[in-house]
Amino acid sequence: SQTIHQWPATLVQPVGSPLSLECTVEGTSNPNLYWYRQAAGRGLQLLFYSVGIGQISSEVPQNLSASRPQDRQFILSSKKLLLSDSGFYLCAWSHSSQGQRFPGFGPGTRLLVL
Amino acid sequence: EDKVVQSPLSLVVHEGDTVTLNCSYEVTNFRSLLWYKQEKKAPTFLFMLTSSGIEKKSGRLSSILDKKELSSILNITATQTGDSAIYLCAPGSGTYKYIFGTGTRLKVLA
Repeated sequence: SQTIHQWPATLVQPVGSPLSLECTVEGTSNPNLYWYRQAAGRGLQLLFYSVGIGQISSEVPQNLSASRPQDRQFILSSKKLLLSDSGFYLCAWSHSSQGQRFPGFGPGTRLLVL
Repeated sequence: EDKVVQSPLSLVVHEGDTVTLNCSYEVTNFRSLLWYKQEKKAPTFLFMLTSSGIEKKSGRLSSILDKKELSSILNITATQTGDSAIYLCAPGSGTYKYIFGTGTRLKVLA
């Protein structure tokens, strides 16, 4: 079966510091990968999605970036965090040909920027 | 611009009540609509709807899609305190892009 891992679970960072969040998927190959963010009291906002290694689509212009260096690894980064980057960051995966046609979410990372 | 509106924003009911949650959408290249339940953690999948008028059912939960009205409803019968959560609707634009609503916050009182 497939599992998705995210770390860290929680993170407190000062404004202006860099960020790196990592997500890996096990038990599948060539998944579609997603980064979502949920700000306090708001819905999930799609940040990036990737259909293959090195292929990243950005949905919202901001100071975040994403990379997919390996098939089952998705990384969310920032060079300088803003207060508005605080939120709940969720990685998700799907795979239309393996029966997971909808995004299945990882446990998430709660980020607080101070 | 793609848009999703869920109503009501919040709802408080007593155990045993039946609730109906609504989702209206406007998305380009619509393919399917998802429902998720979110407690104090990551959302968990409930339903995927692709065809209009066909009810999907899981225990006390059911959902149906109306492509003509660009809407979907999620019904929960005989509610329990464990149903307390935020329910998220997400219509899909194309194959990969799902647009999430802000959700309906349901609280079920014992």
